[in-house]
Amino acid sequence: AQSVTQPDIHITVSEGASLELRCNYSYGATPYLFWYVQSPGQGLQLLLKYFSGDTLVQGIKGFEAEFKRSQSSFNLRKPSVHWSDAAEYFCAVVSTSGTYKYIFGTGTRLKVLA
Amino acid sequence: DVKVTQSSRYLVKRTGEKVFLECVQDMDHENMFWYRQDPGLGLRLIYFSYDVKMKEKGDIPEGYSVSREKKERFSLILESASTNQTSMYLCASSLSARRKNIQYFGAGTRLSVL
Repeated sequence: AQSVTQPDIHITVSEGASLELRCNYSYGATPYLFWYVQSPGQGLQLLLKYFSGDTLVQGIKGFEAEFKRSQSSFNLRKPSVHWSDAAEYFCAVVSTSGTYKYIFGTGTRLKVLA
Repeated sequence: DVKVTQSSRYLVKRTGEKVFLECVQDMDHENMFWYRQDPGLGLRLIYFSYDVKMKEKGDIPEGYSVSREKKERFSLILESASTNQTSMYLCASSLSARRKNIQYFGAGTRLSVL
């Protein structure tokens, strides 16, 4: 069965430090991958997506992600974290079933220290 | 911009009550989804709809039903609310049933069942 794993439940970084959030997926073919962010008390906002082409994807708010097929990974990165980046981050893959529903990871909660 | 509006941000209900959660999207999207979000479990799909009056069960449909009488509106119904249905509920919509679909989320409804 398809699955998405976010191995880090919580991550704490200092403001200005770099960030990498991990996402691994299990999938037989070319996956369609997403990163969403959820600020406290809010819904999910799309940060970036990968459908095909360049494996380094740029998103909003200065985020990027790199698709690595050999490692079945789609890690999210940001060179310098801002206090406003404190939120929960979700990785998702589109199911191969006919319904094309999303399969979400369990999320990584980011805390930013001033 | 796509707007997905959930009618209530917070709801408090009593065990056994019938509960309606409403969701409206303004972009003529074909697909609409209801998710439940719990700490450590990520987002789990309850039901989705790919057309008016059509519905499909997701991963955790037990105890829930849905209604889609108009394209822009998708309702989640708890026939007899129970305390284990206390959770955050997120509605989403997407343009089509193709694999390259992007889901847009509402702000969520936090439901407490006492």
